[in-house]
Amino acid sequence: DAGVIQSPRHEVTEMGQEVTLRCKPISGHNSLFWYRQTMMRGLELLIYFNNNVPIDDSGMPEDRFSAKMPNASFSTLKIQPSEPRDSAVYFCASREPTGETQYFGPGTRLLVL
Amino acid sequence: TQLLEQSPQFLSIQEGENLTVYCNSSSVFSSLQWYRQEPGEGPVLLVTVVTGGEVKKLKRLTFQFGDARKDSSLHITAAQPGDTGLYLCAGAGAGGTSYGKLTFGQGTILTVHP
Repeated sequence: DAGVIQSPRHEVTEMGQEVTLRCKPISGHNSLFWYRQTMMRGLELLIYFNNNVPIDDSGMPEDRFSAKMPNASFSTLKIQPSEPRDSAVYFCASREPTGETQYFGPGTRLLVL
Repeated sequence: TQLLEQSPQFLSIQEGENLTVYCNSSSVFSSLQWYRQEPGEGPVLLVTVVTGGEVKKLKRLTFQFGDARKDSSLHITAAQPGDTGLYLCAGAGAGGTSYGKLTFGQGTILTVHP
């Protein structure tokens, strides 16, 4: 079975540009999580969805960040406008209804110049 | 806000040595998970401990959950170069607004030299 799929794997953009990160969770999983990982702050939860509904977005840094989950098999994290301090690895993870294990995707490495 | 402090942050040892990584918090967690992350990949779950005082073994790795469910440790016996990676502990929220969320420690970067 395919794991969590993220795209793109790498993204280099210039400050001020819009960035869209994409995630396809594991089929049958009903919770989806977006994380950001940096050396300074470690792995931080940005937002998580349950049954396509945002449950907790308290980790979203500011209004420049937004996330959507239009259906059970797709989610996006958008940064507009992007800034150099947004440079990080962004992970998506999904979890099945009755479990506590989160399955992580390979991440998107974002560099904002 | 639930916080997890992980120590040490960096660990560089020789093959064959033993090591222990600690994960501490002032908060109670419903469970605690240990993940391992290799460069260029996402974290992968190693083990989940649920009961206070629980000990789980995974080959040369021993995981322990504190009696009060606020802390945990990972002990590796006779470390091998293949154990090199980033080890992360993560606490699962006990309820309320924390339910369903994982709080991650800062991680321990382990390097095992041949």
